[in-house]
Amino acid sequence: KNEVEQSPQNLTAQEGEFITINCSYSVGISALHWLQQHPGGGIVSLFMLSSGKKKHGRLIATINIQEKHSSLHITASHPRDSAVYICAVDDYNNNDMRFGAGTRLTVKP
Amino acid sequence: NAGVTQTPKFQVLKTGQSMTLQCAQDMNHEYMSWYRQDPGMGLRLIHYSVGAGITDQGEVPNGYNVSRSTTEDFPLRLLSAAPSQTSVYFCASSYTGVHGYTFGSGTRLTVV
Repeated sequence: KNEVEQSPQNLTAQEGEFITINCSYSVGISALHWLQQHPGGGIVSLFMLSSGKKKHGRLIATINIQEKHSSLHITASHPRDSAVYICAVDDYNNNDMRFGAGTRLTVKP
Repeated sequence: NAGVTQTPKFQVLKTGQSMTLQCAQDMNHEYMSWYRQDPGMGLRLIHYSVGAGITDQGEVPNGYNVSRSTTEDFPLRLLSAAPSQTSVYFCASSYTGVHGYTFGSGTRLTVV
């Protein structure tokens, strides 16, 4: 079983819809990251969080440490948001980084 | 432009050949790391470094060597390439425990 599980694997939305991607993890962590991988392959770090909630533009990330769960929300989705979104955790027991398999988001105009 | 520079972008190797993937950052980041990305498996950590002179193994270190002689550079060496090492490789850096990661643009490696 992967230490980091994401859902859904694939998500198709219409432009303007509110999007939620979920991440659950089973290890002790020092931080959780949300990454965006564009169709061209480049990876961009969206958020790093260890508690609470962070917001950047139309993106919101939340984390519940007790439940070992994080969500990434996209408000007013746009076709340019189409990408693979990856959840990753810093495993403080192994000083290691573990990744989810990613969620492929397609936003249609 | 500040960031993480990876070279080469593409490489084809024959089984048994050796090569070095280069990674350099100009942000004075302490932490640097190498990952491989395979279809259906997501990213996996190969090796990482928390500072010059310090390296450690990640999840999939076999077949790869690293060194960190300077803060800026973190090369990844394949001593004897195998087809199982066909993958896309990413280098990343960060201020340890403070900020998120900055990723390089990736190296697509094919071993035939």
